[in-house]
Amino acid sequence: GAVVSQHPSRVICKSGTSVKIECRSLDFQATTMFWYRQFPKQSLMLMATSNEGSKATYEQGVEKDKFLINHASLTLSTLTVTSAHPEDSSFYICSARSQVTRITDTQYFGPGTRLTVL
Amino acid sequence: AQKITQTQPGMFVQEKEAVTLDCTYDTSDPSYGLFWYKQPSSGEMIFLIYQGSYDQQNATEGRYSLNFQKARKSANLVISASQLGDSAMYFCAMWGSNDYKLSFGAGTTVTVRA
Repeated sequence: GAVVSQHPSRVICKSGTSVKIECRSLDFQATTMFWYRQFPKQSLMLMATSNEGSKATYEQGVEKDKFLINHASLTLSTLTVTSAHPEDSSFYICSARSQVTRITDTQYFGPGTRLTVL
Repeated sequence: AQKITQTQPGMFVQEKEAVTLDCTYDTSDPSYGLFWYKQPSSGEMIFLIYQGSYDQQNATEGRYSLNFQKARKSANLVISASQLGDSAMYFCAMWGSNDYKLSFGAGTTVTVRA
């Protein structure tokens, strides 16, 4: 099956710093990538939809200046948490949708990135 | 807009027994897809099973089966012959026909007891 990687898997940073998370589709081209956020023991909440070569579409309530998304190629999307604060600590998961996909393979999920802001 | 409801926050099941996880949904899309994912403590999202809104038969994948009742807007997951490795959080999700965005339910934590 298709593989999506995320880097880093875990990051600890000081308050006020910016953190970049990469999401890569390893063996397919992803026209669309999605970024989710998950707090402990809660559900996944969609933050934004990222399309290659165009601006990301953010969900209501998500600060676009806080969470910068860049989908520079068909295999890479990045999420930058700018001026991170402790309340940004969370589990961030990306998923990727293939250009040519069977319906059950609509989204392939990355393994997630656990961000801790001190 | 789609809404997914999972009303069971946690469940215990004895090893080798079957367990049913409830999921109801609401959507105005005439065409939609329903998914179940498993999330172990490692955090990865593991795809389990899919049901299309126009599929006539209930989906099955090994020990997983989806009890799809369209009129009642429910898509319950049945796990047969539970194993210790089935202990995880389970999410029901759906997408509509327009944008492939997945909406997730609150999740159900399943704990399998030996």
